[in-house]
Amino acid sequence: GENVEQHPSTLSVQEGDSAVIKCTYSDSASNYFPWYKQELGKRPQLIIDIRSNVGEKKDQRIAVTLNKTAKHFSLHITETQPEDSAVYFCAASSYSSASKIIFGSGTRLSIRP
Amino acid sequence: NAGVTQTPKFQVLKTGQSMTLQCAQDMNHNSMYWYRQDPGMGLRLIYYSASEGTTDKGEVPNGYNVSRLNKREFSLRLESAAPSQTSVYFCASTLKLGTSSYEQYFGPGTRLTVT
Repeated sequence: GENVEQHPSTLSVQEGDSAVIKCTYSDSASNYFPWYKQELGKRPQLIIDIRSNVGEKKDQRIAVTLNKTAKHFSLHITETQPEDSAVYFCAASSYSSASKIIFGSGTRLSIRP
Repeated sequence: NAGVTQTPKFQVLKTGQSMTLQCAQDMNHNSMYWYRQDPGMGLRLIYYSASEGTTDKGEVPNGYNVSRLNKREFSLRLESAAPSQTSVYFCASTLKLGTSSYEQYFGPGTRLTVT
């Protein structure tokens, strides 16, 4: 069945440095890739997404890249700040069904002051 | 506009008891979902409903049943709770944006403990 693998499971970076989280997916029909941020005790919230017809998308300090041939996509956070500390999840879905959304296992990002 | 709401927020059950988790959305979304999140783990899809009147199994459906009561409501039932079902349960709904993307909104979660 569909599978999304996410690495690393934990990541600690110095404040101001960049953080990169990587995901791979198995279903070649997947064409929509959202990223979620979950703070402790709260619900996941969408922070950025990318569609399969786009290779890169940027929103201020956050960017996502997609390599459809290799079936992997990445989240890049630049100039990290303490409020970036959270768990980040990648996900993959086929827009044609827009229904079965499969999540990666999450990355706990810690920003060191 | 309340978004996605879930009840109850917390629940403790004894092994073998049954209960229904309620979820409702007021955003007129077609698709709704139930996920479980175990401590330190990701979100695993239990069941989803692409549209009113349809439901499908996700990654971990065993031990659960669902009902898409109408477009707004999607409930999750545990017929005979087991300690392995101790988890945080999130309901979500999806809004399609244009022709090639959508946004998924999550409810606040239900923390369930089975003793």
